[in-house]
Amino acid sequence: AQSVTQLDSQVPVFEEAPVELRCNYSSSVSVYLFWYVQYPNQGLQLLLKYLSGSTLVKGINGFEAEFNKSQTSFHLRKPSVHISDTAEYFCAVSDPLYGKLTFGQGTILTVHP
Amino acid sequence: NAGVTQTPKFQVLKTGQSMTLQCAQDMNHEYMSWYRQDPGMGLRLIHYSVGAGITDQGEVPNGYNVSRSTTEDFPLRLLSAAPSQTSVYFCASSYGPSGESTGELFFGEGSRLTVL
Repeated sequence: AQSVTQLDSQVPVFEEAPVELRCNYSSSVSVYLFWYVQYPNQGLQLLLKYLSGSTLVKGINGFEAEFNKSQTSFHLRKPSVHISDTAEYFCAVSDPLYGKLTFGQGTILTVHP
Repeated sequence: NAGVTQTPKFQVLKTGQSMTLQCAQDMNHEYMSWYRQDPGMGLRLIHYSVGAGITDQGEVPNGYNVSRSTTEDFPLRLLSAAPSQTSVYFCASSYGPSGESTGELFFGEGSRLTVL
């Protein structure tokens, strides 16, 4: 069985500050890892994904994440946030065969001017 | 490019009523799934399908039925609505094992259901 824990339910930051959203996972098999973003009243949009290879993954809108197998973590980072980054962010782990995703509880990122 | 289309976007039901949430995708994806989203709980898998004629239960299947008669459509039926089923429902699809399978899901815009 797979599980995902997002360590912060809410993260408030000021505009242009750096941010890190933390995600830990557990799985007995190799997995694929994802970060999705949900803007208010919208569906989920893929931010970035780790399938294999380089442990540093770059995504859209200046976000990046680092896969750490020994710590079973996949933290999301952005060096300088904008007001438009205000959204809910979900970390997810998938069964590589069928794409059955297990999601974390979500982290609400609020960027203040 | 329609992607994943869900209808209706909003619905209010009374306890005990039944209804069907529709989901259609035009990407020829083999894998389709339904999630519900509740505050502080992320998205939880209700049912999923790995191809036409094949469905299976996810984490929270009770009170819901699905069928997959075509590759494109994956409707979710609420048999007898309860207030606990008030939620936002998302349909999602991805490539199956016979295609490029990375687990990346493509989501519809969601259906907000309120059960009184």
